[in-house]
Amino acid sequence: NSKVIQTPRYLVKGQGQKAKMRCIPEKGHPVVFWYQQNKNNEFKFLINFQNQEVLQQIDMTEKRFSAECPSNSPCSLEIQSSEAGDSALYLCASSIRDWYAEQFFGPGTRLTVL
Amino acid sequence: TQTVSQSDAHVTVFEGDSVELRCNYSYGGSIYLSWYIQHHGHGLQFLLKYYSGNPVVQGVNGFEAEFSKSDSSFHLRKASVHWSDSAVYFCAVSAKIYNQGKLIFGQGTKLSIKP
Repeated sequence: NSKVIQTPRYLVKGQGQKAKMRCIPEKGHPVVFWYQQNKNNEFKFLINFQNQEVLQQIDMTEKRFSAECPSNSPCSLEIQSSEAGDSALYLCASSIRDWYAEQFFGPGTRLTVL
Repeated sequence: TQTVSQSDAHVTVFEGDSVELRCNYSYGGSIYLSWYIQHHGHGLQFLLKYYSGNPVVQGVNGFEAEFSKSDSSFHLRKASVHWSDSAVYFCAVSAKIYNQGKLIFGQGTKLSIKP
């Protein structure tokens, strides 16, 4: 069973508000991924880290989303100005390496933007 | 561009039946394939993976999958399903050369188990 912790489980924001969610990866996992899952079960990769360094991120993430994985603190994903289209389940996963390794997922943060 | 296709959006079987959930991918290089299960309201749970070696891989809870390079497939099977297997199943592919390990997911197959 995965030991990735995500908080909060549910988040409700108005349009234009900031939305911040956190992730604590499994102990010993240096790689963290963030994905967005919409109501149609479509997944979108957002960003991944190895330790504190960004490995890869998509354009959307660069513009309105910010993320970090500071040393000895939870990783976080923040949407600077929420839009209705951001309503989704945000999944954090951790892994022992960036490739060819299981990604263990947390329960997700369900964001609703009103 | 890598794609993953799960042709069946919904599969319904009786408890105790066998089931096969199909997954096809398009990519010619070295890839990593996996299956995940998502129960309603929960995150994804890892089932099994394939990278190389024996094309039939065993996973948790009696699931297995078979890799076929010629068919570009990685179908998931279970010999006898239990009601607790009701969930959505996702096939995923990853390729190091292009995407630093990010997973590309299929559309998902919802498995419903009749008593």
